[in-house]
Amino acid sequence: SQKIEQNSEALNIQEGKTATLTCNYTNYSPAYLQWYRQDPGRGPVFLLLIRENEKEKRKERLKVTFDTTLKQSLFHITASQPADSATYLCALDRGAGSYQLTFGKGTKLSVIP
Amino acid sequence: KAGVTQTPRYLIKTRGQQVTLSCSPISGHRSVSWYQQTPGQGLQFLFEYFSETQRNKGNFPGRFSGRQFSNSRSEMNVSTLELGDSALYLCASSPNPGQGRDEQFFGPGTRLTVL
Repeated sequence: SQKIEQNSEALNIQEGKTATLTCNYTNYSPAYLQWYRQDPGRGPVFLLLIRENEKEKRKERLKVTFDTTLKQSLFHITASQPADSATYLCALDRGAGSYQLTFGKGTKLSVIP
Repeated sequence: KAGVTQTPRYLIKTRGQQVTLSCSPISGHRSVSWYQQTPGQGLQFLFEYFSETQRNKGNFPGRFSGRQFSNSRSEMNVSTLELGDSALYLCASSPNPGQGRDEQFFGPGTRLTVL
């Protein structure tokens, strides 16, 4: 069956360090992978999208990699700040002809001052 | 541009009742998706509409239904509510047909509690 797993439910990191979050999937062949941030009581907010033929994408302090051989995406936040504390969700499309995103359960990141 | 709006924000119902939730997408967005979010299951896809047509449906029972109007506004309905339907219901809109290539803009959600 199809599965999306985000490596841990929670991750604590010291301010200034790089946070690395993992998204693994099985039995999918996504053409796109997206990352979202969700704060308590609010809807998710889009951060980055990466295509299957792209190895890496950057936006300010954020970097995403996509390895279709390993079936894995890594999400990095460099120079992390307490304001980066939130739940981060990865989402996959389900291939050609599909119009839905399937989300992982998320990793709750806490950046400790 | 105004963001995605959802009404009501909070709702309390009892088992067996039905409920209708409303979503107004960002102006110009024609695709609207609905998700259910619970602590145990995370974000789960309910259905997606584009130009008043349902294009995809998730693995939810027939008690969950939706529709989209010509102005792209969407409603979802849950009939014969069960305790397990308590969740945050999120609506998201996209400017173009999806296939995962477009970011989704989420509303704040409707928190449904079933007693």
